[in-house]
Amino acid sequence: DAGVTQSPTHLIKTRGQQVTLRCSPKSGHDTVSWYQQALGQGPQFIFQYYEEEERQRGNFPDRFSGHQFPNYSSELNVNALLLGDSALYLCASSPPGRSYEQYFGPGTRLTVT
Amino acid sequence: AQKITQTQPGMFVQEKEAVTLDCTYDTSDQSYGLFWYKQPSSGEMIFLIYQGSYDEQNATEGRYSLNFQKARKSANLVISASQLGDSAMYFCAMRERPNNNDMRFGAGTRLTVKP
Repeated sequence: DAGVTQSPTHLIKTRGQQVTLRCSPKSGHDTVSWYQQALGQGPQFIFQYYEEEERQRGNFPDRFSGHQFPNYSSELNVNALLLGDSALYLCASSPPGRSYEQYFGPGTRLTVT
Repeated sequence: AQKITQTQPGMFVQEKEAVTLDCTYDTSDQSYGLFWYKQPSSGEMIFLIYQGSYDEQNATEGRYSLNFQKARKSANLVISASQLGDSAMYFCAMRERPNNNDMRFGAGTRLTVKP
């Protein structure tokens, strides 16, 4: 049974560009959450998707947007990249009715130069 | 305001000994959940243990136990019989209210197990 997968593993972008990160949840999971983890810090909640809609959002600007597809996979889009967006982006999926139970993927390391 | 505080940036423990990682939290909610995650250098966050605010007994999962002191708002992780593979970052996290999906994490503690 495959766990949560994320792509790409690493990414280097230039300030001002746009980026899309992808996440496939664990089989049978229907909820996807995204987190940003800056170097030396704990993860920060960006938003959560359920039934193809954003269910809850953390304290992140509108430059951060997302999408969930009918197969429950998800994308995180970041526009107008800033140097401060450099971080590890983690995706977590949850089984039906248990959004508190989160299984994390290995993350995408984004570097903005 | 900081919701989760982990005061130990780094900890060392001898292999086969027990170690306690500290975590204090701040909430005015009566219903909340506390979590501990392990993050090896690979980056993946691995769930270790969960404690609900209404749980009367301390949670245990194999070599992991959570020392929950509600009045003091602390949720320390105890790892017994440390193994070299336990070397990693450890994060304490809290989720307030049953329907709040915003999980708040502490800054983490880096545990190093010495042979």
